[in-house]
Amino acid sequence: AQSVAQPEDQVNVAEGNPLTVKCTYSVSGNPYLFWYVQYPNRGLQFLLKYITGDNLVKGSYGFEAEFNKSQTSFHLKKPSALVSDSALYFCAVRVLGGATNKLIFGTGTLLAVQP
Amino acid sequence: EAGVTQFPSHSVIEKGQTVTLRCDPISGHDNLYWYRRVMGKEIKFLLHFVKESKQDESGMPNNRFLAERTGGTYSTLKVQPAELEDSGVYFCASRPSSGSGSPLHFGNGTRLTVT
Repeated sequence: AQSVAQPEDQVNVAEGNPLTVKCTYSVSGNPYLFWYVQYPNRGLQFLLKYITGDNLVKGSYGFEAEFNKSQTSFHLKKPSALVSDSALYFCAVRVLGGATNKLIFGTGTLLAVQP
Repeated sequence: EAGVTQFPSHSVIEKGQTVTLRCDPISGHDNLYWYRRVMGKEIKFLLHFVKESKQDESGMPNNRFLAERTGGTYSTLKVQPAELEDSGVYFCASRPSSGSGSPLHFGNGTRLTVT
């Protein structure tokens, strides 16, 4: 079965420090991987995606993610965290085949950046 | 362009009552999805429309849930009768017809509380 795991419910980091939010996946075939962010009382906003090509993908707000096929991981990173980055982050994998192309999400990781 | 809009933003109903959620996708987006997040859990797929046709409704919990997309524009999701376990945040998302790599655009969600 196809699945996404976000092993950390919460990540705490001091402002200015690098941050990592972990994601691992299980999927048959080549994965299409996504990161979304949810700010309070808002919908999910697309951050970045990996479809093919360079393993390091860059996205919005200075975030990047590294696709690692051997470890089946797609960790989200940022060199220097901001307090405004505090939000709920979701990793997702797209299920290909058929016409639906639906996303399977992880349980989310709450990122708390302390000033 | 206007984003995906959902109405209402919050709904509190009693067990046994009926609630109808509405989603207006981005204009021109043929694909419309409904997802749900129950407190602390992953965001789960409910169903997928392509224009007015249901492409995949494998995620619908049971026959108390009915989704429609008449005319291929806005969509409604009706819960009748509502049960306590239906509480959660219901997200609608849309994307254009081309490209399985295109990201979903999400609305802000409807928070449903069944008491």
